[in-house]
Amino acid sequence: EIVMTQSPATLSVSPGERATLSCRASQSVSDNLAWYQQKPGQPPRLLIFGASTRDTGIPARFSGSGSGREFTLTISSLQSEDFAVFYCQQYYDWPPVTFGQGTKVEMK
Amino acid sequence: QVQLQESGPGLVKPSETLSLTCTVSGGSINSYYWTWIRQPPGKGLEWIGYIYYSGTTKYNPSLKSRVAISLDSSKNQFSLKLTSVTAADTAIYYCAGGPTVGVVFAWGQGTLVTVSS
Repeated sequence: EIVMTQSPATLSVSPGERATLSCRASQSVSDNLAWYQQKPGQPPRLLIFGASTRDTGIPARFSGSGSGREFTLTISSLQSEDFAVFYCQQYYDWPPVTFGQGTKVEMK
Repeated sequence: QVQLQESGPGLVKPSETLSLTCTVSGGSINSYYWTWIRQPPGKGLEWIGYIYYSGTTKYNPSLKSRVAISLDSSKNQFSLKLTSVTAADTAIYYCAGGPTVGVVFAWGQGTLVTVSS
């Protein structure tokens, strides 16, 4: 099973600032990496797939990069609605598809 | 736009079987990979497994001996059965779908299932 490790666990950022979230895989997942955003009481929402492709309707301030084992989700200028928990997920080697433990982006 | 809705009991007794159904609307079930994912309260996401419209299934090895996912195309529904449940199976259960096994763009709102006597 591929283990996904996210850092940091919590990120404190002020609105308008840049947020950088990291995700590391225990082995290469090529570009088979997705990012999800989850707000309290809601299901996750797909932001990025293929490591860098934004899903339909996702604002351009969200960008994904990386391949192999190291990945980054960048939010260029945090808006109030962006504060949430973010999960990375690999779908290179399954079953099982595996998720990271999440990074909580909170207001500073 | 595809919409999903979970239904089923919110309380299951230990050692019994958890059964949930997901109804798909706004699109045909005869496409996409249909997935179950769960999330213990306050914790992260765990992939349970999927069924493709052809009937192919894959399960998380950690649950494989207890889980079954089925599909009823005539009702545009797919279902989850998890046997011999314990308190560790208490979670919000999401049904979801997407064009590949890992890319999930449609999610149900989730249903909390509590395992307790």
